[in-house]
Amino acid sequence: NAGVTQTPKFQVLKTGQSMTLQCAQDMNHEYMSWYRQDPGMGLRLIHYSVGAGITDQGEVPNGYNVSRSTTEDFPLRLLSAAPSQTSVYFCASTLGRNTEAFFGQGTRLTVV
Amino acid sequence: GDSVTQMEGPVTLSEEAFLTINCTYTATGYPSLFWYVQYPGEGLQLLLKATKADDKGSNKGFEATYRKETTSFHLEKGSVQVSDSAVYFCAPRDTGRRALTFGSGTRLQVQP
Repeated sequence: NAGVTQTPKFQVLKTGQSMTLQCAQDMNHEYMSWYRQDPGMGLRLIHYSVGAGITDQGEVPNGYNVSRSTTEDFPLRLLSAAPSQTSVYFCASTLGRNTEAFFGQGTRLTVV
Repeated sequence: GDSVTQMEGPVTLSEEAFLTINCTYTATGYPSLFWYVQYPGEGLQLLLKATKADDKGSNKGFEATYRKETTSFHLEKGSVQVSDSAVYFCAPRDTGRRALTFGSGTRLQVQP
């Protein structure tokens, strides 16, 4: 069973470029989230979704867009990359509010 | 909103030493509590959880007890191994929130 799959694993972008980080889960989970991990700051929530067609902002949403057209997929879009978006990005999915989250392996993004 | 305070790292121990990583939280409701572990180069994975007061979560020799009166969920292990070297994250999940709140993480280094 694949669980949560993120692609790509590594990416280098130039300032101003756009790209989409992909996240897919095969567990039929309703809840999906995107986090970024920066040194000394733990994981910060960017956007989340509680079901297909429903998304909301987390702590640090600026510069990122999301959509949830299917239960399985939750892509994260960077519209115009900035060096401040250099980070490791994690996607997570959860069956319900009080159950554990399953994480992807992460995408290491560098913006130069 | 929810917040988490974890002890600063890195924590450096010798093999077979006793481990405690402190975690305290604030939450508006009655959260479930989780500890996640991140091994080098990997995503986060659930280590243990507790869903109500006085519950003890345990896994792989690690334990943590849900202390409602002190709003704490300290992680302990009686005898650490080199393979326990990782970053540990405490994460409460309030029933009213749609995603986990993470502490800054505590890096554990175990020396042979």
